[in-house]
Amino acid sequence: GAGVSQTPSNKVTEKGKYVELRCDPISGHTALYWYRQSLGQGPEFLIYFQGTGAADDSGLPNDRFFAVRPEGSVSTLKIQRTERGDSAVYLCASSLRGRELDTQYFGPGTRLTVL
Amino acid sequence: SQELEQSPQSLIVQEGKNLTINCTSSKTLYGLYWYKQKYGEGLIFLMMLQKGGEEKSHEKITAKLDEKKQQSSLHITASQPSHAGIYLCGADGSGAGSYQLTFGKGTKLSVIP
Repeated sequence: GAGVSQTPSNKVTEKGKYVELRCDPISGHTALYWYRQSLGQGPEFLIYFQGTGAADDSGLPNDRFFAVRPEGSVSTLKIQRTERGDSAVYLCASSLRGRELDTQYFGPGTRLTVL
Repeated sequence: SQELEQSPQSLIVQEGKNLTINCTSSKTLYGLYWYKQKYGEGLIFLMMLQKGGEEKSHEKITAKLDEKKQQSSLHITASQPSHAGIYLCGADGSGAGSYQLTFGKGTKLSVIP
């Protein structure tokens, strides 16, 4: 079946602009995760949804970052007043139940470049 | 917080050679995941290990978790160009009440035909 999809695949924006990144999880997966990967680093956790609610947002770096999942499926990561340091690959993952030892399946990522 | 250290950082091998990548945790592992990433792509799930001494294989890739559950190794037998990419180990945070994964920095593997 279809895997996790993310759009756009690439996004170039100017400093100070607002961006939205979209994630479409595997059908039937209740848990959804956002990670951010900088060059030469492993992915770093941002936020985790169980259904429609954010169960853990401890990884969001500051209040410029916000994510929603209004119907428990598609999620949008929103970044306000972008800064050059926000440039990274933003990865989305989903898992079936969001419980312990539940395998997370990743999408191809969105490469964000802030000029 | 848990930290994962991977070694080596990069590896260049001749096609057909065997190789091993290591992942060492600062804390006892509750669950350890191995993923592969190609440039411009997402992470592809390889294997998950949970029990001390556990070993799993898929095609020519074998992953082991040591008895103390603080180190894992990934072994590739008779490497092929298709094995090239970045290998990432990730620790499951469930043991600490969190479902996020904490990753190492990755090992970049190049296979020369």
